[in-house]
Amino acid sequence: DAGVIQSPRHEVTEMGQEVTLRCKPISGHNSLFWYRQTMMRGLELLIYFNNNVPIDDSGMPEDRFSAKMPNASFSTLKIQPSEPRDSAVYFCASSRDRERNSPLHFGNGTRLTVT
Amino acid sequence: AQRVTQPEKLLSVFKGAPVELKCNYSYSGSPELFWYVQYSRQRLQLLLRHISRESIKGFTADLNKGETSFHLKKPFAQEEDSAMYYCALSSGNTGKLIFGQGTTLQVKP
Repeated sequence: DAGVIQSPRHEVTEMGQEVTLRCKPISGHNSLFWYRQTMMRGLELLIYFNNNVPIDDSGMPEDRFSAKMPNASFSTLKIQPSEPRDSAVYFCASSRDRERNSPLHFGNGTRLTVT
Repeated sequence: AQRVTQPEKLLSVFKGAPVELKCNYSYSGSPELFWYVQYSRQRLQLLLRHISRESIKGFTADLNKGETSFHLKKPFAQEEDSAMYYCALSSGNTGKLIFGQGTTLQVKP
């Protein structure tokens, strides 16, 4: 199993541009999470899905952020328009929620730089 | 409100010294707590969970409900322990984790 796969690994874009981050969870996992990591705030949960349905998006900072999970093997996080303060590492993680205390499996992250 | 607090952003020790990474939590239910670690250029991964009561790479963590703490300890730090450590609290059965701000452990030779 290749684990959680995220793309791209690095993204550099100009302010105002649309950014789309992609995630492929581990097969068989039915919970998917998007986190943002910054030096100031550490790891913040943005949104999570269970069985492809968004359960809690209270961590999504603004309407500029949106996330979708059209099927069990794919999710996207979109920022439109992007701003310099969105610069961070964005992690996707998945877990098998039928197992209580099942660990989260993280992807390698996407390092986003908005200039 | 559910919250995890790691008061130290950076902890620097010498090789062989004891290490304690502090974690306090706020949760109204019965907590399920974890420590995750991120080594340089690697993905975030689970280090240990309180329910397992195990020692991983020499690290242990005891849940103290009275003090609402879950500090991570190791008696003798190694250089390869240098990493970012996150304490996390599980909320519900979906596996949603709330993380602390993280502590960077730097073990000097």
